[in-house]
Amino acid sequence: KQEVTQIPAALSVPEGENLVLNCSFTDSAIYNLQWFRQDPGKGLTSLLLIQSSQREQTSGRLNASLDKSSGRSTLYIAASQPGDSATYLCAGTGAGSYQLTFGKGTKLSVIP
Amino acid sequence: GAGVSQSPRYKVTKRGQDVALRCDPISGHVSLYWYRQALGQGPEFLTYFNYEAQQDKSGLPNDRFSAERPEGSISTLTIQRTEQRDSAMYRCASSLEVAISSYNEQFFGPGTRLTVL
Repeated sequence: KQEVTQIPAALSVPEGENLVLNCSFTDSAIYNLQWFRQDPGKGLTSLLLIQSSQREQTSGRLNASLDKSSGRSTLYIAASQPGDSATYLCAGTGAGSYQLTFGKGTKLSVIP
Repeated sequence: GAGVSQSPRYKVTKRGQDVALRCDPISGHVSLYWYRQALGQGPEFLTYFNYEAQQDKSGLPNDRFSAERPEGSISTLTIQRTEQRDSAMYRCASSLEVAISSYNEQFFGPGTRLTVL
């Protein structure tokens, strides 16, 4: 059974810092990967999607990469802002699958 | 356009009662998914529909859980004879049609927080 580990579980940084969130899958055969942001009382917001033919995606201050040989992904956030405070979840699918398997998330706090 | 909507947002019920949770997907999305998220955990897959057909229900925990999508749009997840262990956030997602050769991004609704007393 696929399991996903996200490190660290929680992170607190001062505003303006660059930071990296990590995600690893026990089965490295990850074909598609989504990074989500979860805010209290709200749904999951999809941040970045890396599809099977891709290795990296960028959106604004966010950059996500996927190393398919190791089953590891990183989410890089540049110049963090207090509004980035949220829980970040990574989720992946296997080949031809639609079931997302999620990690438990990293709770990020950006201190003004 | 409007995102995925779910209702009710909060549901408190007594053990043994039946509950029905509703999901309205993004217009034009033919694939719909239900996930369940326990506190401090990531969402776990329950079931999936393509149009009105339930294609995969492998994640439903037992036969008290069922889902339908009779007209290929709105879906209802029903839990019969609720138990305290059913308390969780129930999340719905939708996407463009699932295809073997490609993956379509899943968009999630705000969830329904179910509490069983």
